[in-house]
Amino acid sequence: KNEVEQSPQNLTAQEGEFITINCSYSVGISALHWLQQHPGGGIVSLFMLSSGKKKHGRLIATINIQEKHSSLHITASHPRDSAVYICAVGGNYGGSQGNLIFGKGTKLSVKP
Amino acid sequence: DTGVSQDPRHKITKRGQNVTFRCDPISEHNRLYWYRQTLGQGPEFLTYFQNEAQLEKSRLLSDRFSAERPKGSFSTLEIQRTEQGDSAMYLCASSHPPPTGRHYGYTFGSGTRLTVV
Repeated sequence: KNEVEQSPQNLTAQEGEFITINCSYSVGISALHWLQQHPGGGIVSLFMLSSGKKKHGRLIATINIQEKHSSLHITASHPRDSAVYICAVGGNYGGSQGNLIFGKGTKLSVKP
Repeated sequence: DTGVSQDPRHKITKRGQNVTFRCDPISEHNRLYWYRQTLGQGPEFLTYFQNEAQLEKSRLLSDRFSAERPKGSFSTLEIQRTEQGDSAMYLCASSHPPPTGRHYGYTFGSGTRLTVV
């Protein structure tokens, strides 16, 4: 079982729809990251959070530390939101302090 | 500062050849990370540096792989005797080192896509 699980793996939505991507993790963390990766490969950091909720434009990220679960929401989705969204966790686990553990990503396609 | 830069963006090489990639992190960032991403998968940790010291290496980093950060600034990742299984996107990221109990954000480069033919 992967330490970071995302769902769904693939998601197709119509423009304007509200989108939710989920992330569950099994390790102790100090922070959870939501990242966006476009087909060219580069990764952009969207959020880093360790508790509660953060909002940036049409994007909202929440985390429940007790349940080890986070969600990324996109309101009023647009075709330019089409990308792979990756959840990653970081912190002091297994003696490693230096790196992130990534989920496999959720491929989002928003149709006009 | 324009962020984390990686060079080259794409590399096609014949099996058995050696390749070297470069990463220039954000200048104020002490930590530099290398990750590998294969198609349809999330990135996997390879190694990281704090300044010039290589603090951790994944077991994914076989003896054909070597990484350096000689002056604590840019880093290079070399793969010797490349194999088709090495084909992947190689991502570099940098960050500040966190104080205990905290975690700072990462900045990623655009990656180097390696194709071994």
